[in-house]
Amino acid sequence: GDSVTQMEGPVTLSEEAFLTINCTYTATGYPSLFWYVQYPGEGLQLLLKATKADDKGSNKGFEATYRKETTSFHLEKGSVQVSDSAVYFCALSLSGGYNKLIFGAGTRLAVHP
Amino acid sequence: GAGVSQSPSNKVTEKGKDVELRCDPISGHTALYWYRQRLGQGLEFLIYFQGNSAPDKSGLPSDRFSAERTGESVSTLTIQRTQQEDSAVYLCASSYAPGPNQPQHFGDGTRLSIL
Repeated sequence: GDSVTQMEGPVTLSEEAFLTINCTYTATGYPSLFWYVQYPGEGLQLLLKATKADDKGSNKGFEATYRKETTSFHLEKGSVQVSDSAVYFCALSLSGGYNKLIFGAGTRLAVHP
Repeated sequence: GAGVSQSPSNKVTEKGKDVELRCDPISGHTALYWYRQRLGQGLEFLIYFQGNSAPDKSGLPSDRFSAERTGESVSTLTIQRTQQEDSAVYLCASSYAPGPNQPQHFGDGTRLSIL
């Protein structure tokens, strides 16, 4: 079935380090791909998205590129800040559908000064 | 309010009791979704409402779960004869319309604990 797999956390980094959180997916058709973020004490928020192959989503210094050949949508940031500490969820929605989201398990990121 | 509002924020109840969770979507949003997040896991889709169309109930885990929504307003998720495995955070989301170009806005969730 359709699914999303993302790297297990927690990921612990020092401030200004480079971040990669891996995400791969299995889906029929051509899904849209998303990264959501949940900051401590806050609700889930959309971080970025890509709706077709080779699209790059970006927001707040984060980027992810939709790679159809490797069925991946890895999240990257060149220089993380303490304020980026949160749980990050990779998700997909299926083409032709109504945007029902299928989520990965989430990756907790902790950034230390 | 400006965002999706859910109540209660926390609910503790005994096994076997019924519970009702409420979601107030953003005004004007036609699509409404319920998800469940068990501890340490991702969100699982439960049910989807779009306007006055028949809901997609394909994610409901058992017949103890049901949900209603009248038009484009409030939705309630009801769990009957609760079991310990129902313990989770129940999240509601709404979007202006269905489709991947319409972001889903999430509420803060209801944390349900079954004793």
